Amino acid sequence: AQSVTQPDIHITVSEGASLELRCNYSYGATPYLFWYVQSPGQGLQLLLKYFSGDTLVQGIKGFEAEFKRSQSSFNLRKPSVHWSDAAEYFCAVGYLGNQFYFGTGTSLTVIP
Amino acid sequence: EAGVAQSPRYKIIEKRQSVAFWCNPISGHATLYWYQQILGQGPKLLIQFQNNGVVDDSQLPKDRFSAERLKGVDSTLKIQPAKLEDSAVYLCASSLKSGAGEQFFGPGTRLTVL
Repeated sequence: AQSVTQPDIHITVSEGASLELRCNYSYGATPYLFWYVQSPGQGLQLLLKYFSGDTLVQGIKGFEAEFKRSQSSFNLRKPSVHWSDAAEYFCAVGYLGNQFYFGTGTSLTVIP
Repeated sequence: EAGVAQSPRYKIIEKRQSVAFWCNPISGHATLYWYQQILGQGPKLLIQFQNNGVVDDSQLPKDRFSAERLKGVDSTLKIQPAKLEDSAVYLCASSLKSGAGEQFFGPGTRLTVL
């Protein structure tokens, strides 16, 4: 069965430090990959997406993610975290055939 | 461009009562999704519509949940009767195309069942 794993339930980083959030998926075919952010009381906002082509994708708010086929991973990175980045981050995968799955999320706390 | 609209934003009901949520997707988006997000978990797809037809409702508890998308635009999700475990945020999303298409999310409806 298809699945999306975000192994880190909660991460705490200092403001200005670098960030990496992990995401792994299990499925034979190459999926379409997404990272969403959810601030308290808000809906989900798309940070970036990968459909094909360059495996390093740039998103909004200074985020980037790299698709590694050999590791079935799509980790999210940011070189310098801002206090406003504190939120819940969700990795999601979509497949042709109308299937779409979310990970369980990683909660990010930013220390001043 | 207007985003996905949902109402109400909050709802508190007693168990065994009924409740309905409304969603208006982005204009021109053929695909509409309803998700259930329980506190501390990722969104779980309940039902997916392509225009006014159901594409996937495999995770919809059909004994108590129902959804419709008349005319292929607005959609309503109903719970009857509600249980305590239905307390969650119900998210509506829409996309131009299904599967690989980017989904745009509404703000959600937070349901509390007492």
